[in-house]
Amino acid sequence: EVLLVESGGGLVQSGGSLRLSCGASGFTFSSSWMSWVRQAPGKGLEWVANINPDGSEKNYVDSVKGRFTISRDNAKNSLYLQMNSLRVEDTALYYCVKGGGSGWPFGSWGQGSLVTVSS
Amino acid sequence: DIQMTQSPSTLSASVGDRVTITCRASQSINSWLAWFQQKPGKPPKLLISKASSLDSGVPSRFSGSGSGTEFTLTISSLQPDDFATYFCQQYKSYPFTFGPGTKVDIK
Repeated sequence: EVLLVESGGGLVQSGGSLRLSCGASGFTFSSSWMSWVRQAPGKGLEWVANINPDGSEKNYVDSVKGRFTISRDNAKNSLYLQMNSLRVEDTALYYCVKGGGSGWPFGSWGQGSLVTVSS
Repeated sequence: DIQMTQSPSTLSASVGDRVTITCRASQSINSWLAWFQQKPGKPPKLLISKASSLDSGVPSRFSGSGSGTEFTLTISSLQPDDFATYFCQQYKSYPFTFGPGTKVDIK
């Protein structure tokens, strides 16, 4: 069974930084595209970033380019999202998702980690 | 960016009803479309990928169709567990984008 567990969320002031982590199990992590998708409270879904299996390709939504960095450690079965220069509009539940590469749907989702950015 | 729209935004239905949700893309996405179900306080769950391929374990009352710019999700006989919000999503090109969602509630 695929299990994705996010951690690292919390309350931060505008301009601050946070690092989200996602521990993965139940599948071959090193062969899988991985993504971060966020959902603002009461709102819809927004894809944030993805990374290919060996970490050589990374893609971002325009609104986070230059501020967020996705990375992975295949030896630790872990995915990360470093978030810098946080803005109030980055407040959301951040989901770690298996898949989301070219031709790969978002197959399995974690429970999410809440990031709240205050002004 | 490819814009995704859904209709209706809310749908009131009864158990046993046949329900159809429409999703439209602002440009052709071939069949690179997924459907998700989300219940309150839970993460989305993949129902259908590649426009019509049912994910493992998803009941056969769910079906998807379409290609290009117009797609549908059909629930052949609505069950109590199906009251939820449904999202479509394109994964043809970056940035991947979602529709705004269709809430299916009890009539």
